[in-house]
Amino acid sequence: SQTIHQWPATLVQPVGSPLSLECTVEGTSNPNLYWYRQAAGRGLQLLFYSVGIGQISSEVPQNLSASRPQDRQFILSSKKLLLSDSGFYLCAWSIGAGVVNEQFFGPGTRLTVL
Amino acid sequence: TQLLEQSPQFLSIQEGENLTVYCNSSSVFSSLQWYRQEPGEGPVLLVTVVTGGEVKKLKRLTFQFGDARKDSSLHITAAQPGDTGLYLCAGARNNNDMRFGAGTRLTVKP
Repeated sequence: SQTIHQWPATLVQPVGSPLSLECTVEGTSNPNLYWYRQAAGRGLQLLFYSVGIGQISSEVPQNLSASRPQDRQFILSSKKLLLSDSGFYLCAWSIGAGVVNEQFFGPGTRLTVL
Repeated sequence: TQLLEQSPQFLSIQEGENLTVYCNSSSVFSSLQWYRQEPGEGPVLLVTVVTGGEVKKLKRLTFQFGDARKDSSLHITAAQPGDTGLYLCAGARNNNDMRFGAGTRLTVKP
């Protein structure tokens, strides 16, 4: 069966500091991978998605970036965090083929920028 | 503005009551998913609907996809406290373009 991991679970960082959040998927090959941000109790904003190693599409201009160094690894980064980067960050995967795009989410990372 | 509008935003009911939440859009979707999210956790997929007019049942939950594939509803019968959570709908326009609504936060009081 497939599993998806995210770490860290929680993170408190000062403004201007760098960020690296990691997501890994087990039990599947060549998945589509996604990074979302969620404001408190609200819907999900798609930040980045990737259909393969080194292939990143950005949905929203911001000071965040994403990388996919391996097939089942997706990393969200920032060189300098802003207060507005606080939120709940979710990684998701999908099988990447066919009409139905069912996405499966990791446990999330709660980021607080002070 | 949200591509998918969910209503109501908040719903608080007593255990045993029935409820319906809605997900509406002016766009046509190839598929639509419903998720439930607990605080501090990732959303969990409940169901996917693909065909216009499709109805799917998951125990006490009934999901319907509109005939034109632009909207959907979720009906819960005899709600229980364990149904409490944020219900999110998400519409897929193609394989990599899935948009989420803002969600309906449901509280079921014992």
